Amino acid sequence: AQKITQTQPGMFVQEKEAVTLDCTYDTSDQSYGLFWYKQPSSGEMIFLIYQGSYDEQNATEGRYSLNFQKARKSANLVISASQLGDSAMYFCAMRLTLRAGNNRKLIWGLGTSLAVNP
Amino acid sequence: SAVISQKPSRDICQRGTSLTIQCQVDSQVTMMFWYRQQPGQSLTLIATANQGSEATYESGFVIDKFPISRPNLTFSTLTVSNMSPEDSSIYLCSAWTGGSSYEQYFGPGTRLTVT
Repeated sequence: AQKITQTQPGMFVQEKEAVTLDCTYDTSDQSYGLFWYKQPSSGEMIFLIYQGSYDEQNATEGRYSLNFQKARKSANLVISASQLGDSAMYFCAMRLTLRAGNNRKLIWGLGTSLAVNP
Repeated sequence: SAVISQKPSRDICQRGTSLTIQCQVDSQVTMMFWYRQQPGQSLTLIATANQGSEATYESGFVIDKFPISRPNLTFSTLTVSNMSPEDSSIYLCSAWTGGSSYEQYFGPGTRLTVT
């Protein structure tokens, strides 16, 4: 069965420090994509970063990087130099890219609440 | 990229009534989705809105309760019918352009409170 696991319900980090949010996934498919989204208290879902299963390099987008370890089936999000505005819920998700139709839906983790302390 | 708008942004409704949520995308997209997010929870997919045909519902969601329309490639509606307090949630519209694009976009959500 396809599944995303986020084991950290809540995390705290000091402003300007780096933080790693954990995500492990389970699939027998060889082709898939992994996503991280941020949801601030206002409710909108903000796309942060994407990693394809065949991408050889870890994805990076500004202060966000994805530590992709395929053999361990992990896709941890690293936020460098945390800012107060990074306080939000963070969701990891997976899409199975060779599936058709409705089976291309995103599979979501339960999320991690990040609080950045001043 | 795609920009998604939803109407209404929030509503307070009485038990037993229905509410229709509109979702408009600023460009044509292959797939549109409707999600529900209950307080403090992750996203739950209600259905995939198919252009010109019936929506594909996830387990636990039925057309009579959540009828969905998608008349074209940029617009969809979700109706929450015969509402009860358990339907109080954020409802999110989402869109994926498909093909080689991977990014899936989300609307700002509709916060529904049923009293």
